[in-house]
Amino acid sequence: GNSVTQMEGPVTLSEEAFLTINCTYTATGYPSLFWYVQYPGEGLQLLLKATKADDKGSNKGFEATYRKETTSFHLEKGSVQVSDSAVYFCALDSSYKLIFGSGTRLLVRP
Amino acid sequence: DTAVSQTPKYLVTQMGNDKSIKCEQNLGHDTMYWYKQDSKKFLKIMFSYNNKELIINETVPNRFSPKSPDKAHLNLHINSLELGDSAVYFCASSQPKSGKEQYFGPGTRLTVT
Repeated sequence: GNSVTQMEGPVTLSEEAFLTINCTYTATGYPSLFWYVQYPGEGLQLLLKATKADDKGSNKGFEATYRKETTSFHLEKGSVQVSDSAVYFCALDSSYKLIFGSGTRLLVRP
Repeated sequence: DTAVSQTPKYLVTQMGNDKSIKCEQNLGHDTMYWYKQDSKKFLKIMFSYNNKELIINETVPNRFSPKSPDKAHLNLHINSLELGDSAVYFCASSQPKSGKEQYFGPGTRLTVT
């Protein structure tokens, strides 16, 4: 069946460091891919999406590219801020449901 | 304007009780969902409804019964609550024909004692 694998956290970075959170997927066909962010005590917010191979999703300085060859959708940001501290979830669309990765906690220190 | 709202935000109850969580969306979406997030933050689909019809029931115990009175509402009723039901429950909605992204409510933290 379809699945999503994310790198284990927590990821701890200093402010202005470069961020990469790895995400790979297993799926039949070419599902839409998403990154969601969950700030402490809050619900999930859509961060970015990509609907087909080679699409690049971007928002708030975050980017991820849909790589069909490597079945990956890694999240990147060039310079993180303390306010980016949250849990990040990679997800794929699978027939009326989202399948989520296990989440990666990011902690950014001043 | 809140796109997807849930009530209550917190729910503390004893084992064996029956409780309900309400969800409403004002996005005009056709599809609504319930997800469960456990203590390790893992998120899993419970139910999907499309145009008030059940599409997905992901091996959820019969004690959980969703009800969709109209396209804008999807409520979750839980009978005979157990300790293992303690979790955060998220409602979501989407419009599959115009994009597969789902919009989530703020969550309901259920604690069963």
